[in-house]
Amino acid sequence: ELKVEQNPLFLSMQEGKNYTIYCNYSTTSDRLYWYRQDPGKSLESLFVLLSNGAVKQEGRLMASLDTKARLSTLHITAAVHDLSATYFCAVVSKAGNMLTFGGGTRLMVKP
Amino acid sequence: KAGVTQTPRYLIKTRGQQVTLSCSPISGHRSVSWYQQTPGQGLQFLFEYFSETQRNKGNFPGRFSGRQFSNSRSEMNVSTLELGDSALYLCASSLAWGDTYNEQFFGPGTRLTVL
Repeated sequence: ELKVEQNPLFLSMQEGKNYTIYCNYSTTSDRLYWYRQDPGKSLESLFVLLSNGAVKQEGRLMASLDTKARLSTLHITAAVHDLSATYFCAVVSKAGNMLTFGGGTRLMVKP
Repeated sequence: KAGVTQTPRYLIKTRGQQVTLSCSPISGHRSVSWYQQTPGQGLQFLFEYFSETQRNKGNFPGRFSGRQFSNSRSEMNVSTLELGDSALYLCASSLAWGDTYNEQFFGPGTRLTVL
């Protein structure tokens, strides 16, 4: 059974600081997704990582994938308040589109 | 292009009742997946439909069922509601099904409260 673990579960950081969220998964997968969720809202797709060594960047967020270590990271550079949200990683482990989600990381960026 | 739509957005039911939620995927998308989100269990996969056939099913009791119509619209039904069924139900739509990458787009969700 595929398990996806994120850490930390909660992250409070100051504006301007850098930090990394980690996502570990237990079985082989060739697709890993990062999503953002604002309170009371749906999931917004941030990144899709499809191969070992993949790196994608959008603004202050950068995601990477190491399929050998079964690890993905979401790095936040010079955080701003607008990045406050809950971030989820999700993995596809078999044919189809079924996603197994991590527990989420609630990020609070303080001025 | 319109996004994924879900109706109703909010629903209040009492224990023992049944409920039907609806999802209309993005035009041209043929795969629809359903997820349940609760504070305690997080995001959990319910089922996935493609071409009117259930392709994957999550670990939920038989009270949870779904179907997909020929126009790709999907419904999920929960019978004999329990307090623990209170959750945000999210629908995701994607173009196809299979081993290749398909980006998934989530709808706004239906917030179900069971009293």
